[in-house]
Amino acid sequence: QSVLTQPPSVSAAPGQKVTISCSGSSSNIGRNYVSWYQQLPGTAPKLLIYENNKRPSGIPDRFSGSKSGTSATLGITGLQTGDEADYYCGTWDTSPSAGVFGTGTKVTVL
Amino acid sequence: EVQVLESGGGLVQPGGSLRLSCAASGFTFTNYAMTWVRQTAGKGLEWVSTISGNGDDTYYADSVKGRFTISRDNSKNTLYMQMNTLRAEDTAIYYCAKGSGRATPHDYWGQGTLVTVSS
Repeated sequence: QSVLTQPPSVSAAPGQKVTISCSGSSSNIGRNYVSWYQQLPGTAPKLLIYENNKRPSGIPDRFSGSKSGTSATLGITGLQTGDEADYYCGTWDTSPSAGVFGTGTKVTVL
Repeated sequence: EVQVLESGGGLVQPGGSLRLSCAASGFTFTNYAMTWVRQTAGKGLEWVSTISGNGDDTYYADSVKGRFTISRDNSKNTLYMQMNTLRAEDTAIYYCAKGSGRATPHDYWGQGTLVTVSS
């Protein structure tokens, strides 16, 4: 079963912007919505973005998502120390039918 | 308020069995697929299994197929995972998540329950 590829880490200074890529294939990202999850240290994952670019209630508009072809991107603007966390993309793979998550990206605020 | 609460984790010997439960509240349970996701220490998220809202459709990761069985009791708003023939590599925190990750995102997660497979 496949895994979505993310960079292991990204970093930037407070107030700056970071982007996290998520690379998949035609059977997963290419055919299904992408979600993004934030996992703060020692806590359960939390939904940040769903259906490629929608934010659940309570998620600030500093977080944005996009998808193109078989890749997706999470953007975080106005970086804050509280954004230091692991971020995962996730979707469904059509062949074979299975859930799939990205390898995870650690965001560090310098 | 939506809540999902896992239980049933613990220490088990290799080859042993364990049943995890996930009690859900605050939403119409039967309307949503449910998913188990696990995470080994210091590692990423691994999708384990998903079950449809009515329980008719189930999906498994290759790593657990034939050993784990997902099920649900919609009258009790509870999700289960029966884990048999456990291996050391099954040691992880197991999260229960609302949604399939396909038609519906995982918008609510439990706090996780730790399963340790060791002699």
